[in-house]
Amino acid sequence: QQQVKQSPQSLIVQKGGIPIINCAYENTAFDYFPWYQQFPGKGPALLIAIRPDVSEKKEGRFTISFNKSAKQFSLHIMDSQPGDSATYFCAAYSRGATNKLIFGTGTLLAVQP
Amino acid sequence: EPEVTQTPSHQVTQMGQEVILRCVPISNHLYFYWYRQILGQKVEFLVSFYNNEISEKSEIFDDQFSVERPDGSNFTLKIRSTKLEDSAMYFCASSVETGELFFGEGSRLTVL
Repeated sequence: QQQVKQSPQSLIVQKGGIPIINCAYENTAFDYFPWYQQFPGKGPALLIAIRPDVSEKKEGRFTISFNKSAKQFSLHIMDSQPGDSATYFCAAYSRGATNKLIFGTGTLLAVQP
Repeated sequence: EPEVTQTPSHQVTQMGQEVILRCVPISNHLYFYWYRQILGQKVEFLVSFYNNEISEKSEIFDDQFSVERPDGSNFTLKIRSTKLEDSAMYFCASSVETGELFFGEGSRLTVL
């Protein structure tokens, strides 16, 4: 129940394309869903996050879509650029029930020029 | 912009040796964490720390691991007797209550 399932494992898109990364969870106590971006040899960096009281959040070219009834959320990257090539992790957190962030398995994104 | 800093960036040690990884969390944060990432795999939770005590730990965080906040700024992870399988990137993170974790650049541990 503490798992966050993420797909796909890897993704290749052309510059300007819209990669979509999907995540699903079981634990309904989760109430905060961030996405992290990680470049090789670096730590995860917070990209964008959403709480379950909204269905969509946009920050620049990054959009989270959230489906509370399906317990799924996804990251869309608009007008993707080669500089977006990185590993993306979804995560989930429950402020009341636990004191840890649970990560998905990661998606390696390659944006080709 | 405030950031989490970690030292060393890379440590090589012999199996059975003790290792201490150090972290300076963001100054106004109250929650501190250690995560690890084996090469190419996901980021795994080790331990969370709040109000000078462990608030949660994973099954990975066995008796060989310990954490300490020896002063007002540092947060350390000690591995008492390293094993080959402890080789990984270790990330420190800190947060305020909302759960918005900020991660350091990591310490790469190589156990030979």
